[in-house]
Amino acid sequence: AQSVTQPDIHITVSEGASLELRCNYSYGATPYLFWYVQSPGQGLQLLLKYFSGDTLVQGIKGFEAEFKRSQSSFNLRKPSVHWSDAAEYFCAVGAGDFGNEKLTFGTGTRLTIIP
Amino acid sequence: DAGVIQSPRHEVTEMGQEVTLRCKPISGHDYLFWYRQTMMRGLELLIYFNNNVPIDDSGMPEDRFSAKMPNASFSTLKIQPSEPRDSAVYFCASSFRNEQFFGPGTRLTVL
Repeated sequence: AQSVTQPDIHITVSEGASLELRCNYSYGATPYLFWYVQSPGQGLQLLLKYFSGDTLVQGIKGFEAEFKRSQSSFNLRKPSVHWSDAAEYFCAVGAGDFGNEKLTFGTGTRLTIIP
Repeated sequence: DAGVIQSPRHEVTEMGQEVTLRCKPISGHDYLFWYRQTMMRGLELLIYFNNNVPIDDSGMPEDRFSAKMPNASFSTLKIQPSEPRDSAVYFCASSFRNEQFFGPGTRLTVL
């Protein structure tokens, strides 16, 4: 069965500093991988996804993620965070005909930005 | 497009009552998903539909939960009877191919 581990429950970063959120997955085949962001009281918004091809994926809001098969990882990065990036971030692995019908989410990482 | 619409946004009910959550997916999307989010269990997929047909309901916790999709623009998730442990945020999402769009969720509190 597929699974996702986000080892960091809460991360605090200064505004303007770089960010890396960790994600490790377990999946028997080539994984479909996603990062979502959830602001308080809101639904989830897709930041980026990896299905195949270039292992460095660019997303919205200046985020990127790198797929590393050898490490079973799909870490999310941003070179300089803004106060508006404070939110909860979820990594997910998908399965199904289009790769996203059955999403398994990690437990999330809460990001706090300090001035 | 207005995005995925869910109603109500908040629901407070008493144990034993029937609860119905509603979802209107994005027009043209052929997949619809229901999720539950709790502190203890995180985000869980409950059930999903393709072209109004339930495909996988293995995540539905028990027989008290049921979901329907009578047409392409409407779905319901019903809990009967409700219990305090059903308190959670319930999300509906829809997709066409490989991106799911989430609604704002319904926060359910069962007293």
